[in-house]
Amino acid sequence: GAGVSQSPSNKVTEKGKDVELRCDPISGHTALYWYRQSLGQGLEFLIYFQGNSAPDKSGLPSDRFSAERTGGSVSTLTIQRTQQEDSAVYLCASSHTPTRWGGGNTIYFGEGSWLTVV
Amino acid sequence: AQTVTQSQPEMSVQEAETVTLSCTYDTSESDYYLFWYKQPPSRQMILVIRQEAYKQQNATENRFSVNFQKAAKSFSLKISDSQLGDAAMYFCAYRRYSGTYKYIFGTGTRLKVLA
Repeated sequence: GAGVSQSPSNKVTEKGKDVELRCDPISGHTALYWYRQSLGQGLEFLIYFQGNSAPDKSGLPSDRFSAERTGGSVSTLTIQRTQQEDSAVYLCASSHTPTRWGGGNTIYFGEGSWLTVV
Repeated sequence: AQTVTQSQPEMSVQEAETVTLSCTYDTSESDYYLFWYKQPPSRQMILVIRQEAYKQQNATENRFSVNFQKAAKSFSLKISDSQLGDAAMYFCAYRRYSGTYKYIFGTGTRLKVLA
């Protein structure tokens, strides 16, 4: 597709259930980012994938959160045993390979997945 | 660790007037990139403008310009001739030059444009 595609757009789940959020980046983009945006808050970094390199997982808030990127394209963010504090918009973004000299300097965001845990 | 601070949770501006949104950041690095992103109610984040730290000249994009003060670690966004479509959340962001390329965002400023 032309842009970053995320699914589902909205998800309501019961506390304790597992959820999977999907991100389909722009074709050809090697970098993929996941961010979390809680109500009234800024964007909290979760994880960053770049090509075949080991992902930067430094932002994952707990071991209930995990993400994978298969074949260097589609990514899935999984939240196990969801808690009410996990309610947020989960944003995915992609870009060309970031470089020191400005490559990949424009990241393109999807419209996000709005997760509500009840 | 790098941090980005936006001290104005909300700002208002009259249509056709000029408004400035503030952003400060903290880093020990000398080379980096700074960005302003806009998030309208649709939630789609859109790049407004970016600045390379090694460039002294302030970036401009049509009605949008920045005031980059490297020594003060300040990066403000000026919107001239404000339009109703400018109403949105604005996020300031920082990206390193090397190492991990994750973007660090501020908490955002909600801009209201009054007709």
